Amino acid sequence: KQEVTQIPAALSVPEGENLVLNCSFTDSAIYNLQWFRQDPGKGLTSLLLIQSSQREQTSGRLNASLDKSSGRSTLYIAASQPGDSATYLCAVSGEGGAQKLVFGQGTRLTINP
Amino acid sequence: DTGVSQDPRHKITKRGQNVTFRCDPISEHNRLYWYRQTLGQGPEFLTYFQNEAQLEKSRLLSDRFSAERPKGSFSTLEIQRTEQGDSAMYLCASTNSGNTIYFGEGSWLTVV
Repeated sequence: KQEVTQIPAALSVPEGENLVLNCSFTDSAIYNLQWFRQDPGKGLTSLLLIQSSQREQTSGRLNASLDKSSGRSTLYIAASQPGDSATYLCAVSGEGGAQKLVFGQGTRLTINP
Repeated sequence: DTGVSQDPRHKITKRGQNVTFRCDPISEHNRLYWYRQTLGQGPEFLTYFQNEAQLEKSRLLSDRFSAERPKGSFSTLEIQRTEQGDSAMYLCASTNSGNTIYFGEGSWLTVV
């Protein structure tokens, strides 16, 4: 059974810092990995999708890496801003592409002005 | 493309009542998913449809839960005889195979 763990559970940093969020998964047989952002009481917004054959994806100040063999992914946020404050969730889908996602518990990020 | 739409956004119901949630996916998406999320946790998979066919159901989906997607467009999730443990946010998502998955804003259920 696939399990996804995110560390840390919560993170508070001053504005402008670069930061890294971590995600690990127990079964390396994945189809893809996605990072999502969730604002309080809202749905999820997809930030980055990495296919199993890829090593990283970039969007603006965000960079996500994937090391499938070791079961790890990181989300790097450059020059953090107060508007980045949210919960960040990592999710993996199994081989076959059904997109049945298994989520971590998330990292609650607070950027202090 | 108006995104994934869910209705109602909030529902308060008494224990033992039935509730139904509706999801309208992005129009060209053939796959539709239901997830459940409780406070402080990541979403948990409930069920998914490929067009009108329900292809997989989680063990979380007890006999009191039923989902339909009758014409391969919108979907409904019904919970019968609600229990306090059913209180959660119910999220709907849609995608075309293998691509980015798009979530709705969720339907909050509070059972009192």
